[in-house]
Amino acid sequence: GAVVSQHPSWVICKSGTSVKIECRSLDFQATTMFWYRQFPKQSLMLMATSNEGSKATYEQGVEKDKFLINHASLTLSTLTVTSAHPEDSSFYICSAPGPGVYGYTFGSGTRLTVV
Amino acid sequence: DQQVKQNSPSLSVQEGRISILNCDYTNSMFDYFLWYKKYPAEGPTFLISISSIKDKNEDGRFTVFLNKSAKHLSLHIVPSQPGDSAVYFCAASSDQTGANNLFFGTGTRLTVIP
Repeated sequence: GAVVSQHPSWVICKSGTSVKIECRSLDFQATTMFWYRQFPKQSLMLMATSNEGSKATYEQGVEKDKFLINHASLTLSTLTVTSAHPEDSSFYICSAPGPGVYGYTFGSGTRLTVV
Repeated sequence: DQQVKQNSPSLSVQEGRISILNCDYTNSMFDYFLWYKKYPAEGPTFLISISSIKDKNEDGRFTVFLNKSAKHLSLHIVPSQPGDSAVYFCAASSDQTGANNLFFGTGTRLTVIP
């Protein structure tokens, strides 16, 4: 079946550094990629929606200069957390519509810990 | 504001019995609903879905019921198996094609006791 490959699975970084998370769709084209964040005991919350070849749409309260999203091809979307701080520690997950008309394929998630 | 709610954070069920996971939503524009299963350190995987034109959808041991007037859906698992132990998320969308976002509930942790 369709797979969205998300890397890295987990990352620990120092405060002030930047971290890039990649989501790659395998065997299908992802013109849209949803980026979610989940804090403990909370639901997956949408951060932004990336569309191939255009600027990402950010949800209210999400800093676009801090969370840089690039969707340069039909199979790759990246999220870069710039100047990460401990409060950015969370579980980040991407999701692409498909395959087919219905359904969504999720990446496996990235656990980010900022120390 | 949480548009999709799962009010039971956890549920324990004996193996072989029925598991019933509930989900409520507030947005009347939602017309497509999904259930996801999530193991620790993994992304949610799609389980079953239902369109608002139906009130029931069945796939093997999993059945989803939708009550539009009550804005309520439920997932029934029967018989429950230990491998079903996971966190279950319900999600809703106003667009089946994927153009719009999914709104997730906070999840219910199901534990099936052998």
